[in-house]
Amino acid sequence: SQQGEEDPQALSIQEGENATMNCSYKTSINNLQWYRQNSGRGLVHLILIRSNEREKHSGRLRVTLDTSKKSSSLLITASRAADTASYFCATAPSGTYKYIFGTGTRLKVLA
Amino acid sequence: NAGVTQTPKFQVLKTGQSMTLQCAQDMNHEYMSWYRQDPGMGLRLIHYSVGAGITDQGEVPNGYNVSRSTTEDFPLRLLSAAPSQTSVYFCASSYSASGRANEQFFGPGTRLTVL
Repeated sequence: SQQGEEDPQALSIQEGENATMNCSYKTSINNLQWYRQNSGRGLVHLILIRSNEREKHSGRLRVTLDTSKKSSSLLITASRAADTASYFCATAPSGTYKYIFGTGTRLKVLA
Repeated sequence: NAGVTQTPKFQVLKTGQSMTLQCAQDMNHEYMSWYRQDPGMGLRLIHYSVGAGITDQGEVPNGYNVSRSTTEDFPLRLLSAAPSQTSVYFCASSYSASGRANEQFFGPGTRLTVL
């Protein structure tokens, strides 16, 4: 079964609004990563947060990590039409390279 | 740098045929991996390698073989194609540091159809 589960599965918002998506996982991890995928293309890495970090920012992205709840959230502020894509979280159990990706959140930003 | 390259971009096979998907990276990354992505799904790890001569199984390894004779190349072989292997295949690489998973760089994918 997938370790990472995102919710919601799909999200539709207006340009300029904020988008929040969540990820849950099952095992202890060294870090959690978020990726973006446009229309079946290869994934692009967005941000990595380590297990000893609680929050991280990169441009319009804000990621939080709660290791006690085994969950993370990705916030995209002031969304743009170009943010329309699928977003995936990825983790690997501590000490392994066995990445597990969630099923993704499909974000649609309406102009 | 070309990053991660994959060939072919598209492939149609008949059931029972074999083929090799090619993957190469020019970033001197130790870690390389293969995933498959089915419609509406996330990626599932098939096989991975932490260096030349070292490979290991991922979540869905059955029906696939890999080898890593050089740092740059990580081919994926389908031994006897089945319709269930119809999917989009992605190769990825990352630098490897002390057993910690890190940012992965992805290739553009190979869309495979098995009839």
